[in-house]
Amino acid sequence: GNSVTQMEGPVTLSEEAFLTINCTYTATGYPSLFWYVQYPGEGLQLLLKATKADDKGSNKGFEATYRKETTSFHLEKGSVQVSDSAVYFCALSDLNNFNKFYFGSGTKLNVKP
Amino acid sequence: NAGVTQTPKFQVLKTGQSMTLQCAQDMNHEYMSWYRQDPGMGLRLIHYSVGAGITDQGEVPNGYNVSRSTTEDFPLRLLSAAPSQTSVYFCASRTSGKIYEQYFGPGTRLTVT
Repeated sequence: GNSVTQMEGPVTLSEEAFLTINCTYTATGYPSLFWYVQYPGEGLQLLLKATKADDKGSNKGFEATYRKETTSFHLEKGSVQVSDSAVYFCALSDLNNFNKFYFGSGTKLNVKP
Repeated sequence: NAGVTQTPKFQVLKTGQSMTLQCAQDMNHEYMSWYRQDPGMGLRLIHYSVGAGITDQGEVPNGYNVSRSTTEDFPLRLLSAAPSQTSVYFCASRTSGKIYEQYFGPGTRLTVT
């Protein structure tokens, strides 16, 4: 079946530090992969996506590369800001049914000034 | 545009009570979904709809009913609440033109005692 595994948090960083949040997946075939972000008290927002192997998704300084060989989609940012503090979810969509999304458990990021 | 709205924000029920969580969107999106978010488990799909009058089950449908009589509304009914249904519930919608981009509501926090 489909599943997504994320590194457990919370992750605490100082402002301007480098961020990596690990995500690996299990799926039949090659699904589409996503990172969503949830700010306190809000719903999830799409941060970036990649729809095929070796694609790199990017947005707001965040990047993630779809690695088929390691079934991974790690999220990175070169210099985090306090405003990046949020919960980050890795997700995949079912190849046969784009209505079915599978989410990881989420990683909370705390950025200190 | 209000986007995706959910009511209520918070609810406490006793075991065996029934209630309806409301979800509405004003973006004319065909697809709508309900998820539950539990600690350490990420979001899991409960039910989804691909248009008015059409619904289908997700990963964890037991104990929940849905119907879709209009494009805008997608209510989630708990027929007989159980403590295992204590969770945060999110509604999401998307359009067929952007199959990867889901828009989420702010969530309803439900506690069943």
